[in-house]
Amino acid sequence: AQTVTQSQPEMSVQEAETVTLSCTYDTSESDYYLFWYKQPPSRQMILVIRQEAYKQQNATENRFSVNFQKAAKSFSLKISDSQLGDAAMYFCAYRSDRGGSEKLVFGKGTKLTVNP
Amino acid sequence: DSGVTQTPKHLITATGQRVTLRCSPRSGDLSVYWYQQSLDQGLQFLIQYYNGEERAKGNILERFSAQQFPDLHSELNLSSLELGDSALYFCASSVSGRDTEAFFGQGTRLTVV
Repeated sequence: AQTVTQSQPEMSVQEAETVTLSCTYDTSESDYYLFWYKQPPSRQMILVIRQEAYKQQNATENRFSVNFQKAAKSFSLKISDSQLGDAAMYFCAYRSDRGGSEKLVFGKGTKLTVNP
Repeated sequence: DSGVTQTPKHLITATGQRVTLRCSPRSGDLSVYWYQQSLDQGLQFLIQYYNGEERAKGNILERFSAQQFPDLHSELNLSSLELGDSALYFCASSVSGRDTEAFFGQGTRLTVV
């Protein structure tokens, strides 16, 4: 079974600075998807960024980018120019590409605090 | 707004009772997923339905059941409730298939007292 590990329960960053959240995963599959979700105090799960394992290029969405290291099974999220609205729980998630189900396997999450 | 609607937003009930959580997926989405978020277990996949049929099962207790109706809305039934069932229950929906992503509802906060 696949597992996702987020080793940083909490992180903090100064407004306008850059922060990197770590995620590692374990799988024997070669085709899969990786995601970062944000959960603000409103509880809504919001997709931040997605990476397909077959793509070598790291995904980028505005101030959010990932460092995907397939051999190391590492998938970190970098937030540049941090804003107060970035404060939230961040969850790393894995999804198999084997077909049959698109269920997500989540890590335990990292609580990000943004200091003004 | 993700387009996925969950009702109710909050639910308080006593141990031993039965509750039903409802989810309306985004228009056009055939897959519905249920997840449980608790402090000790984190976010866990419970079950997936695709176009009315069960497609995948996760760590769902026997006291829990779900179904997806012809109009594609889904219900999660929780019975013989225990204190440990208190959690945030999310529904998500997707078109299904490769290169798709799931959109989450705002969740139902269940408190068992």
